[in-house]
Amino acid sequence: AQSVTQLGSHVSVSEGALVLLRCNYSSSVPPYLFWYVQYPNQGLQLLLKYTSAATLVKGINGFEAEFKKSETSFHLTKPSAHMSDAAEYFCAVSDGGSQGNLIFGKGTKLSVKP
Amino acid sequence: DAGVIQSPRHEVTEMGQEVTLRCKPISGHDYLFWYRQTMMRGLELLIYFNNNVPIDDSGMPEDRFSAKMPNASFSTLKIQPSEPRDSAVYFCASRNRAEAFFGQGTRLTVV
Repeated sequence: AQSVTQLGSHVSVSEGALVLLRCNYSSSVPPYLFWYVQYPNQGLQLLLKYTSAATLVKGINGFEAEFKKSETSFHLTKPSAHMSDAAEYFCAVSDGGSQGNLIFGKGTKLSVKP
Repeated sequence: DAGVIQSPRHEVTEMGQEVTLRCKPISGHDYLFWYRQTMMRGLELLIYFNNNVPIDDSGMPEDRFSAKMPNASFSTLKIQPSEPRDSAVYFCASRNRAEAFFGQGTRLTVV
């Protein structure tokens, strides 16, 4: 069965510092992987996705993630944090590639200190 | 496309009342999901449909919850009778071949 583990329910960084949010997955099929962001009182918005093309995926707002099959990881990074990046971030894996349900991690709340 | 549309955005109801949440998915999407989000339990999948057919409803908490998808452009989630512990934000999402798109959610408060 597919599953997602996000390490760290809360991450705090200073403005301008590197952002690294960790995601490990398990999947019995070639995975489709996603990162979503949720700002307060809003729905989830797609940041980026991996669907078996390039392993380094660039998303919106300067975020990127690298698919590493050997490590079963899909960590999210941004070189320089901005105050507006403060939000909750969810990693997800599809349980059937282009089909089926998305399995979400428990989320990581990112705080950005001035 | 206007995206996934949910209504109402906010609902306050008294315990014991029936509550109906509505969702219009993105046209052409063949999957529809209902999620519930709370501080304590995070984001939980309640049920999902493929081509209007319920595929997995194992996340529906109890018989008080029911969901329908009478056609490809409309779904409802009903709670009857509602209880204070049902207070949460309920999200609808739809999916085609890659990512899922989420609505803005319905914030339900049961007093």
